[in-house]
Amino acid sequence: EVHLLESGGGLVQPGGSLRLSCAASGFTFSSYGMSWVRQAPGKGLEWVSAMNGGGTSTYYVDSVKDRFTISRDKSKNTLYLQMNSLRAEDTAIYYCAKRGAVTGPGWFDSWGQGALVTVSS
Amino acid sequence: EIVLTQSPGTLSLSPGEGATLSCRASQSVSSSSLAWYQQKPGQAPRLLIYGASSRATGIPDRFTGSGSGTDFTLTISRLEPEDFAVYYCQQYGGSPLYTFGQGTKLEIK
Repeated sequence: EVHLLESGGGLVQPGGSLRLSCAASGFTFSSYGMSWVRQAPGKGLEWVSAMNGGGTSTYYVDSVKDRFTISRDKSKNTLYLQMNSLRAEDTAIYYCAKRGAVTGPGWFDSWGQGALVTVSS
Repeated sequence: EIVLTQSPGTLSLSPGEGATLSCRASQSVSSSSLAWYQQKPGQAPRLLIYGASSRATGIPDRFTGSGSGTDFTLTISRLEPEDFAVYYCQQYGGSPLYTFGQGTKLEIK
């Protein structure tokens, strides 16, 4: 059974930094692309960033480019999201999500429980 | 950028009724790239449909996805109490890599 567990959320001041982690188990981590998807309070879902299974390609939504960095550690089966220069509008629950297929079109077949990030002074 | 517009914003129905949720794309989307999710309060989203019409593992057959091009539909026949939730469509490809619709809230009438 696939299991994704996020950690690292919390309260941070505007301009600050935070690193989220997502510990993965139950599947071959290095074979699947992974993403971070966020949800602001009372709002819809927004894809934030993705990395392919091999860790060689990264993708970002424009609003976080040059501020967020996605990475993965195959030895620890863990996905990360380093978030710098945080803004109030980054306040959200951040979900780690597993790509449903190794190749081809992307959808998310497994999600973590989410980590709450609050950016406020 | 491909924009997904879901309608209606809120749908009020009774258990036992059927529901039809719409997802319209601003430009043509490959059917293989369209998915639907269900989200209940305080929970992570759950994959229902991928490739526009394939049910994910464990999803009851009362959930049916259809459509092509710019118009996609999620149909729920015989609503059960546990089906009342928010539903999102999602597409893959282009820039940004993934986009979601704004959601349809299915509430009990």
